[in-house]
Amino acid sequence: DVKVTQSSRYLVKRTGEKVFLECVQDMDHENMFWYRQDPGLGLRLIYFSYDVKMKEKGDIPEGYSVSREKKERFSLILESASTNQTSMYLCASSTGGTETQYFGPGTRLLVL
Amino acid sequence: ELKVEQNPLFLSMQEGKNYTIYCNYSTTSDRLYWYRQDPGKSLESLFVLLSNGAVKQEGRLMASLDTKARLSTLHITAAVHDLSATYFCAVDPNNQGGKLIFGQGTELSVKP
Repeated sequence: DVKVTQSSRYLVKRTGEKVFLECVQDMDHENMFWYRQDPGLGLRLIYFSYDVKMKEKGDIPEGYSVSREKKERFSLILESASTNQTSMYLCASSTGGTETQYFGPGTRLLVL
Repeated sequence: ELKVEQNPLFLSMQEGKNYTIYCNYSTTSDRLYWYRQDPGKSLESLFVLLSNGAVKQEGRLMASLDTKARLSTLHITAAVHDLSATYFCAVDPNNQGGKLIFGQGTELSVKP
């Protein structure tokens, strides 16, 4: 079974803090993705990566950066957290091609 | 701008009834994915539809794809309470196995 894990299920941070969200997959997938999920908006893509050290902006990259130093690990960084970044963050991975994406359990982030 | 729209967004059904969720999208794509999300949980892959006319069935759920109409349907037959969840469709706009564009989700509640 594909396993995608995220470093935290719940996080509470203060405005202005730097926040790191980590995602690890164990299936040697090339592609990794970060989404945020907000009620009524579905999932919106923040960043994705096709390979180590490669990254591409998704639809809402502002205020976020990413890092992929190893194939299995994809980190999302909030440089200076703001209250409008309070959300559920979901990581996913895939082999590409026609295969579906596999999602982690999600991190619910609250920025005060 | 690529849009993926689901209809309805909320659906309350009685057990034993049939219903259809619709997913319309605004660009050409041969790849459409359906996911299920239980409250507080992550997304689970249900179906992968890869060509015009594709039909997949699993238990009481059947998904189909009409790429000419840019429409996918998720049909529920004789609903049971266990099907209560939020259902998302997602489109691969580039047919390249990369980023997906998600619909807003349909929250389904099946009542006895």
